[in-house]
Amino acid sequence: GAVVSQHPSRVICKSGTSVKIECRSLDFQATTMFWYRQFPKQSLMLMATSNEGSKATYEQGVEKDKFLINHASLTLSTLTVTSAHPEDSSFYICSARELREAGANVLTFGAGSRLTVL
Amino acid sequence: KQEVTQIPAALSVPEGENLVLNCSFTDSAIYNLQWFRQDPGKGLTSLLLIQSSQREQTSGRLNASLDKSSGRSTLYIAASQPGDSATYLCAVGGTYNFNKFYFGSGTKLNVKP
Repeated sequence: GAVVSQHPSRVICKSGTSVKIECRSLDFQATTMFWYRQFPKQSLMLMATSNEGSKATYEQGVEKDKFLINHASLTLSTLTVTSAHPEDSSFYICSARELREAGANVLTFGAGSRLTVL
Repeated sequence: KQEVTQIPAALSVPEGENLVLNCSFTDSAIYNLQWFRQDPGKGLTSLLLIQSSQREQTSGRLNASLDKSSGRSTLYIAASQPGDSATYLCAVGGTYNFNKFYFGSGTKLNVKP
């Protein structure tokens, strides 16, 4: 089945530094990837939709300059948290949309990345 | 905007029980609906996918139904096991061109040995 690899799974950084999280579709091409944020004991909040070769579409309230998204190829999207602060500490999950036969629209998720900003 | 609600928020049952998790959505114009499982500190694992034209899907002890007109889906788990303990999320997919998926807040299931 489809696999999405997310790296790193855990990262701890100092306040003010930038952190990059990678999301790769391993055995399929993903023209669209999604980045979610999950706060403790809450559901997933869609941050942005990443489209290959074009700018990401951000959800209302998500700072574009804080969360930089790049989708340079059909198998890789990256999320960079710039000048991270403790309030950016969260669980970030990516997903890739796979188009199967008959136009089935299926989401496959990465394992998530736990970011802790000290 | 689509709103997805899951009831109950938490459920604790003894091993062996059959149980039903509920998911409701406000806009019936959906493309599909997926049920996911999330273990603590982990990503999401897809359990079942139902297309808007389908009424149900089955995988092992899991059965998901979809009633689009009433905006409801249920996930039925037969003969629950302690290993089923996790948070279950449903996500509603928008139209093909819309690309968005809306998540419920999840049902945290605890199956006691």
